[in-house]
This record gives sequence, structure tokens and C-alpha cells, in this order.
Amino acid sequence: NAGVTQTPKFQVLKTGQSMTLQCAQDMNHEYMSWYRQDPGMGLRLIHYSVGAGITDQGEVPNGYNVSRSTTEDFPLRLLSAAPSQTSVYFCASSHTGVGMGTQYFGPGTRLTVL
Amino acid sequence: SQQGEEDPQALSIQEGENATMNCSYKTSINNLQWYRQNSGRGLVHLILIRSNEREKHSGRLRVTLDTSKKSSSLLITASRAADTASYFCATATGSNFGNEKLTFGTGTRLTIIP
Repeated sequence: NAGVTQTPKFQVLKTGQSMTLQCAQDMNHEYMSWYRQDPGMGLRLIHYSVGAGITDQGEVPNGYNVSRSTTEDFPLRLLSAAPSQTSVYFCASSHTGVGMGTQYFGPGTRLTVL
Repeated sequence: SQQGEEDPQALSIQEGENATMNCSYKTSINNLQWYRQNSGRGLVHLILIRSNEREKHSGRLRVTLDTSKKSSSLLITASRAADTASYFCATATGSNFGNEKLTFGTGTRLTIIP
């Protein structure tokens, strides 16, 4: 199994540009989530999904959209990039909700917005 | 402010010594998890302790949980150079099965000196 994969690994955007960060998992996990990691802030939850067709907002959802059309994929869209969105983004998945099981993390996407 | 706060923020010890890091949180939890992050990598799950458990072991790891004090500690015994990483506690909260959220602390940076 490849586990959780993320693409791209690095990305530089200009302010106002849009892009999609890709996340895929091959473990048939229902629960997927997106976090951002900023220095000294730990990880903060952006959006999460408890299954195909179901998404919800996390702690810092503004400026991001998600959809979950399949169990495997959970893309994160930046609508109009801002310098404040410069961060490292991690996707994670788990078989059940976080109350029950381990979360498996992808390697991350390092995004810089100029 | 963060749900979980780790202490200390940074810790340097000699190889072979034990390392202890602490986590405090603010609200009631379903469980508490510890993760490790090597530089430039994603997070790796280490151990999960449920709210009705007081202590748990996994190899060289020992985790304690005191719900009355809203605190947890992670002990790594007989440290090795490969243990050099950042360690995060994460608290699972929420009232609906499968809809819990995981909130991360700011991490402890552990350096093992050979």
C-alpha cells in the first residue's frame, strides 16, 4: 500500500492564484482531513470528511474548499491564494473517526504564496 | 489558544538518557494521542490512550494520563539518536461517534546528543 499520498510536494503561487492540493489514500479509510502546520502553532484542522459526499469545516476553513466524491480522494482547493496561506499542508486518513483509531498522515505539501 | 500545550518546547539530552515531555489540555477528551514528526516529514502515530486509561506502554514509550489535572506525559526510555524529532500530543474531542476532531498541541522538539 502507498498509504496517504500528496501532490505536489512544493508549490509557489502568486497572490490571487488558485490551485488544488491533491490527497489520495489506498487504505479504504472513511475519515479524511486536511491540516495546516505553521511555525509555533502546531497543526490546525482545515476541513474533514467522514465519508464520500460528506464534508465539514474545521478550525480554520476560510479560503479553502473541499469535496469528497470518492473514498480515495480528498482534494483541497485554494480559491484565491493569500500570503497568510503560506504553510505546510498535511492530509490524513483513518479507518474510523479519530476517537477510535490511528490517523495516517501524508508527507505534506509546502506552499509559498508571494 | 491551543487545546494541547506541550512542555518543554525544546529538550536536549544525551543518548541513553530518558526523555519526558508533558501535555496539558483544557476540555474533556475522548482520548489523547502522541505523534512524532521527523524534520520535513509527515506525522507518525505513536500511541493512543483513552480517557478511562491511566497508563499505557509501547516498547520504549510510556504514556500517562491524568484527566483530573487534564495532563499527559510521554516518557521515552533509553533514548537513541533516531528519536530526534518533534513530538505532538493531540486530543480527540466531540460528541458524535465518527465526528470527533483531533486538536494538536504546539510540540516538543527533542534532540538526542550522541
